[in-house]
Amino acid sequence: DTAVSQTPKYLVTQMGNDKSIKCEQNLGHDTMYWYKQDSKKFLKIMFSYNNKELIINETVPNRFSPKSPDKAHLNLHINSLELGDSAVYFCASSTRTGGVGNTEAFFGQGTRLTVV
Amino acid sequence: GENVEQHPSTLSVQEGDSAVIKCTYSDSASNYFPWYKQELGKGPQLIIDIRSNVGEKKDQRIAVTLNKTAKHFSLHITETQPEDSAVYFCAAGSNFGNEKLTFGTGTRLTIIP
Repeated sequence: DTAVSQTPKYLVTQMGNDKSIKCEQNLGHDTMYWYKQDSKKFLKIMFSYNNKELIINETVPNRFSPKSPDKAHLNLHINSLELGDSAVYFCASSTRTGGVGNTEAFFGQGTRLTVV
Repeated sequence: GENVEQHPSTLSVQEGDSAVIKCTYSDSASNYFPWYKQELGKGPQLIIDIRSNVGEKKDQRIAVTLNKTAKHFSLHITETQPEDSAVYFCAAGSNFGNEKLTFGTGTRLTIIP
């Protein structure tokens, strides 16, 4: 009964490869996010989708391409991986309540990406 | 854009004592201030949040205070227990614009038994 699940949990890959991380939420939320957490634990938003539409893109390199086939899924595809992409990537979801933005965000367990 | 600063970056507290973590924000339009707890190997989890129409909120051993004029908010944990050891993040968000959450830099709290 996991609320926000992302796969894989660990991903080790070589520079230049292309990889994808999948995320699914079963909470019925309409908004999903990708966050990047670096080695110093800084949490920074990358993308936000609301009802399958992109609403936030925080100057992320275009090697990163999110895809939302439906509002329960938000996948992250990364092309031409670089050493600096090594981090933990978190998927999250939330919902609007009564038209008010910013309610509790539920996070997945994270995907630790290591580029070698 | 919003900038959230968080202090201290590390905090060690004797079990049973209180812990206080402080955050400041820059955007006066921010009106939602959640606190997240991240345990090792897990994603952040909301522990308490406060909106700008409230100055203080309490949930058992956890309380949050907000000073909108000074643009700062704080997390207070009383009667700390070993399971409170984790990394804590404050965040600020708004109902307006793109409604994203901007996180602080985190505080590693260690409870000493």
